[in-house]
Amino acid sequence: EVQLVESGGGLVQPGGSLILSCAASGFTFSGSAMIWVRQASGRGLEWVGRIRSKADSYATAYAASVKGRFTISRDDSKNTAYLQMNSLKTEDTAVYYCTRQGSSSSIDSWGQGTLVTVSS
Amino acid sequence: QPVLTQPPSASASLGASVTLTCTLSSGYSNYNVDWYQQRPGKGPRFVMRVGTGVIVGSKGDGIPDRFSVLGSGLNRYLSIKNIQEEDESDYHCGADHGSGSNFVWVFGGGTKLTVL
Repeated sequence: EVQLVESGGGLVQPGGSLILSCAASGFTFSGSAMIWVRQASGRGLEWVGRIRSKADSYATAYAASVKGRFTISRDDSKNTAYLQMNSLKTEDTAVYYCTRQGSSSSIDSWGQGTLVTVSS
Repeated sequence: QPVLTQPPSASASLGASVTLTCTLSSGYSNYNVDWYQQRPGKGPRFVMRVGTGVIVGSKGDGIPDRFSVLGSGLNRYLSIKNIQEEDESDYHCGADHGSGSNFVWVFGGGTKLTVL
């Protein structure tokens, strides 16, 4: 069974930093692209970014709203993906989901999410 | 990149059928779209992917046979037969576009399905 467990969320002041982790199990993590998605309260889903596998040179891509502030990385030896968030803004407040991009390119697995609140 | 449009709400009676629509913007009629179910207070879960015809790949884990998809033109449909109380959810559609650093994933605004 695929499991994705996020951690690291919390309250942070505007301009601050936070790092989220996503512990994966139940599948071959090293061969999968991982995607972060966020959802502000009462709003729709927003793609944050993606990191591909080693076979695809760990290529990353980011939404325009976070480019230059957020960085996605991974440690295949720990089956863990990370989302480093810097220069946080109040509008970054959301539940952040770690997801897997499956073999058919679908986002086919989701974590339970972790809440990030940016407020003074 | 494509824009995905969903009506904000839909409703159906218990035991009835409903079809939800996700519309791709012009020029993207060959794109595949994923459907996701999000129950109240929960995270999303993958339902299935639909292309220009029927399902692409397999359904998500635990998705009942009552759920089906169809693609036609710019529209990607999710149909639910014999609606149950547990089907009351937000339904989102999403699609990937581009590659490399130009890759993006776009989502529709979601449709809130109310079971009457």
